[in-house]
Amino acid sequence: DTGVSQDPRHKITKRGQNVTFRCDPISEHNRLYWYRQTLGQGPEFLTYFQNEAQLEKSRLLSDRFSAERPKGSFSTLEIQRTEQGDSAMYLCASSFDGDTQYFGPGTRLTVL
Amino acid sequence: GNSVTQMEGPVTLSEEAFLTINCTYTATGYPSLFWYVQYPGEGLQLLLKATKADDKGSNKGFEATYRKETTSFHLEKGSVQVSDSAVYFCALSPDMNYGGSQGNLIFGKGTKLSVKP
Repeated sequence: DTGVSQDPRHKITKRGQNVTFRCDPISEHNRLYWYRQTLGQGPEFLTYFQNEAQLEKSRLLSDRFSAERPKGSFSTLEIQRTEQGDSAMYLCASSFDGDTQYFGPGTRLTVL
Repeated sequence: GNSVTQMEGPVTLSEEAFLTINCTYTATGYPSLFWYVQYPGEGLQLLLKATKADDKGSNKGFEATYRKETTSFHLEKGSVQVSDSAVYFCALSPDMNYGGSQGNLIFGKGTKLSVKP
């Protein structure tokens, strides 16, 4: 297993467009997490799944954000009507139950 | 609420110098504590962790001891190398017995370390 992977690694979009990111967790991990990291800050929790169930969402996750994990394996994070304030690194992590979280390389989003 | 405070950087050291990066936390109960490292252009990697008071986490010459009495988890290394140049993040996972979330890692702002040859 090669660890958590994310696609794309970089995304540049214009304000108002929709974007979707994908995360593939470590295969035996049942939990998957999304975080957002802005420049000079630590990651901030957005949401997490146990298998296909979305169990928690942060107040940071506005109505324009939606995440899915339809078969309990990979997950997608969609941002609708992007704003310049959405520019950040979006990180995915996975774990087995509540054990240590392992992070992917992230998707860097730039909204022009 | 739960929070993590770590010393602001950047920290610049010469090779073989002693490193300390301070981290203190605010949380109820006994959170688990972590240090993650982010090398340039790469994702976060777990460096070490401690899950109960007085535990010492260690890895790659780095150490940190979980101090409940001072709510601290300072990162230390006796002799840094140029390859240790990175951003270091202290983080906590709240104690579920005190209403903590199972999913929410709380991070500090990170401390950038530069090691000069």
